[in-house]
Amino acid sequence: EAGVTQSPRYAVLQEGQAVSFWCDPISGHDTLYWYQQPRDQGPQLLVYFRDEAVIDNSQLPSDRFSAVRPKGTNSTLKIQSAKQGDTATYLCASSRDWGANYAEQFFGPGTRLTVL
Amino acid sequence: GDSVTQTEGLVTLTEGLPVMLNCTYQTIYSNPFLFWYVHYLNESPRLLLKSSTDNKRTEHQGFHATLHKSSSSFHLQKSSAQLSDSALYYCALRTGANTGKLTFGHGTILRVHP
Repeated sequence: EAGVTQSPRYAVLQEGQAVSFWCDPISGHDTLYWYQQPRDQGPQLLVYFRDEAVIDNSQLPSDRFSAVRPKGTNSTLKIQSAKQGDTATYLCASSRDWGANYAEQFFGPGTRLTVL
Repeated sequence: GDSVTQTEGLVTLTEGLPVMLNCTYQTIYSNPFLFWYVHYLNESPRLLLKSSTDNKRTEHQGFHATLHKSSSSFHLQKSSAQLSDSALYYCALRTGANTGKLTFGHGTILRVHP
């Protein structure tokens, strides 16, 4: 079974530039998560979807960040105008049945973003 | 809000010695679910252990942990460290079936040397 895949693996931007991250979850996983992980911190949930519907995006900075999962499979996270504070690793994860108590989240390798 | 606190920073051990990585949590939810994720260099983070009912030990790959609601803890232990255990370990909290959100601690680096 293929794991969660993400691209690109690295991105370096100047402040004000836009960037998109792409995630392909494990086949059959209905739930997809995006996390932001600043250096020396744990992952912090930004948004998650069940199929194409957003379940919770309360932690997504809505003025510059957006996330979609139009067909309930792949997903794109976009930063409209990057700031130095966005420098972090962006992790995508997927799971079956997010409502199950012990639903295991499977993580991708992440995209390491540096904003200069 | 919910939070998870782990042993700070780096833990260095000699091979063969016991491992204990601390994890405590704060939540108002009475039935939390706790997880340990392990992140090896150049790999993706993956699930190592998940909690069971209160005061029940769970084990996987030689590691074990017990959820103690009385002390809000879920410490990770292993009787004898191996070189291959060197990795970054995260403790994570899920507060119930009505959310898929995991709240992670900052992570603890375990380095095992010969």
